[in-house]
Amino acid sequence: GQQVMQIPQYQHVQEGEDFTTYCNSSTTLSNIQWYKQRPGGHPVFLIQLVKSGEVKKQKRLTFQFGEAKKNSSLHITATQTTDVGTYFCAGQRFGNEKLTFGTGTRLTIIP
Amino acid sequence: NAGVTQTPKFQVLKTGQSMTLQCAQDMNHEYMSWYRQDPGMGLRLIHYSVGAGITDQGEVPNGYNVSRSTTEDFPLRLLSAAPSQTSVYFCASSYAPGQGTEAFFGQGTRLTVV
Repeated sequence: GQQVMQIPQYQHVQEGEDFTTYCNSSTTLSNIQWYKQRPGGHPVFLIQLVKSGEVKKQKRLTFQFGEAKKNSSLHITATQTTDVGTYFCAGQRFGNEKLTFGTGTRLTIIP
Repeated sequence: NAGVTQTPKFQVLKTGQSMTLQCAQDMNHEYMSWYRQDPGMGLRLIHYSVGAGITDQGEVPNGYNVSRSTTEDFPLRLLSAAPSQTSVYFCASSYAPGQGTEAFFGQGTRLTVV
């Protein structure tokens, strides 16, 4: 079945440093979504990427979708304490309703 | 605007007991799903539904049943709870399955089986 892996599993950074999490799918995806889950909370949608090679930005967050539509990344510039949480990617295959989540990257910030 | 509502928020069960986790959405979404979240495992799909009367298995369906009699409700049943089912359960809904629309999650149910 489809597998979606994320690395790293954990990341501790000093406030102000950059952060990147990588997502890799075993199959080609029709789209990939990113979610953020604050400690004790539920996943909240951040963005969706659909096109091969697509890059989208949300303030300090930059999302990329690979050319082969099998990998993606989320980069945060100059992290802040509000960025703390677990970041998940989630992919869908063509013609398949299921949304398969990655294993997540837990980001902690050292003030 | 309620969104996705899950009840209860917390539950402790004894091994062998049964219970139903409730999930309701008021956004007229066709697609609903149940995930369990365990440390280091991410969110794993248990069951999902693409509309009333239609359900299908996800990645980890064993020990769980679902039904979808209405568009709004998608309950998850544990027939005979086991300690391995200790987890945080999330219900999610989205507008159009297979078209990459965002999923809205409930607040979660933290279940402990002793």
